[in-house]
Amino acid sequence: EVQLVQSGAEAKRPGSIVRISCKVSGYTFTDYSMRWVQQAPGKGLEWVGLVNPKNDETKYAEKFQGRVIMTADTSRDTAYIEVTNLRYEDTAMYYCTTDAGDYWGQGTLVTVSS
Amino acid sequence: SYELTQPPSLSVSPGQTASISCSGHKLEDKYISWYQQKPGQSPVRVIYQDAKRSSGIPERFSGSNSGNTATLTISGTQTMDEADYYCQAWDSSTAWVFGGGTKLTVL
Repeated sequence: EVQLVQSGAEAKRPGSIVRISCKVSGYTFTDYSMRWVQQAPGKGLEWVGLVNPKNDETKYAEKFQGRVIMTADTSRDTAYIEVTNLRYEDTAMYYCTTDAGDYWGQGTLVTVSS
Repeated sequence: SYELTQPPSLSVSPGQTASISCSGHKLEDKYISWYQQKPGQSPVRVIYQDAKRSSGIPERFSGSNSGNTATLTISGTQTMDEADYYCQAWDSSTAWVFGGGTKLTVL
């Protein structure tokens, strides 16, 4: 059974950094890229980017370029997203999902507040 | 950047057919997926590659893509189908783009 299990909710100050993890099981981690999707409260889905665990290649949506870093640790079968210089508008649920969108994590709520 | 447009809301009665549209320039040249999201839950993929049903998705869900419009059709809509629905396309070989979402109400 494929599972994507994300780390818990985070409360952060503006200007700080948050790191969210997504641990996978049930398939070979390096076989597929991992994607991240943002959903602000009451809003729609927005694609943030992806990381390929096989070669560490990344691709980010233009909106997030320069402020997000995606990595993958093949020894832990875990993908990470780091959002730097947090802003109030980064308050959102962040989801990891497999390359084809067929499996999703449970989501991680990031709240940015002073 | 590429944009997908969906109607914000749609209301149908139980048993009726719900058709949710997703429009974009030359959309038929791209593969479309559809996701269902219920309150407080992660999205669930219901359709991929325009018209293929994901595993475990009821047959009443179907998809099509022609010209500039993709359509998710739910035949014999049930109250359990009430949810937000998002279309998603590949903007390049790797990038995704989502539509704004459609809130389906069944009453």
